[in-house]
Amino acid sequence: KQEVTQIPAALSVPEGENLVLNCSFTDSAIYNLQWFRQDPGKGLTSLLLIQSSQREQTSGRLNASLDKSSGRSTLYIAASQPGDSATYLCAVGYYGGATNKLIFGTGTLLAVQP
Amino acid sequence: SQTIHQWPATLVQPVGSPLSLECTVEGTSNPNLYWYRQAAGRGLQLLFYSVGIGQISSEVPQNLSASRPQDRQFILSSKKLLLSDSGFYLCAWSGVDRGLAGWLAGEETQYFGPGTRLLVL
Repeated sequence: KQEVTQIPAALSVPEGENLVLNCSFTDSAIYNLQWFRQDPGKGLTSLLLIQSSQREQTSGRLNASLDKSSGRSTLYIAASQPGDSATYLCAVGYYGGATNKLIFGTGTLLAVQP
Repeated sequence: SQTIHQWPATLVQPVGSPLSLECTVEGTSNPNLYWYRQAAGRGLQLLFYSVGIGQISSEVPQNLSASRPQDRQFILSSKKLLLSDSGFYLCAWSGVDRGLAGWLAGEETQYFGPGTRLLVL
């Protein structure tokens, strides 16, 4: 069974701190992996997508890494800001014939304290 | 640019009543479309996806159905709602803008709508 786990479930850090969010998956035959941000009561915003052949992707203060062999991905946030407070979701994509099926983790709730 | 719309934003329905949630995408053609549900305390679960008009694939057995009457319209329905149907429903699309080569390389990104919060009482 394809499962995605995110640790920790919740994290509170002071502003300016660097932090790492973890994602692990059981089936390493992935198509890609996406990190999303979800603000309370809102939809998902795509942050980064890593193709299965890639090891990392960077966007601004965000860096996501992928290690398929160990079934792990990390999202690194540098110099955190209060505006980064949100739930971060990891979604592992598996090839589903004509489309990419995403399996989501339950998320990490991040609070950045000013 | 592409945008995705969902309505209504919030819905309160009695048990046993019918349901129709609508999702439309603008600015792209022939998108793949998806319905997800996010139940309280649980992760997002894929319910249905569609790769073309009239083509619907169901991921989990349930009280819901989906239809795609037009290229950029995706509808989630139920004839009789259950309490367990309560949740946050998200529609998503993935594009073919990168072409087949990009899709084969794993570049397919899913973009999500604002969601519909459904409460069944």
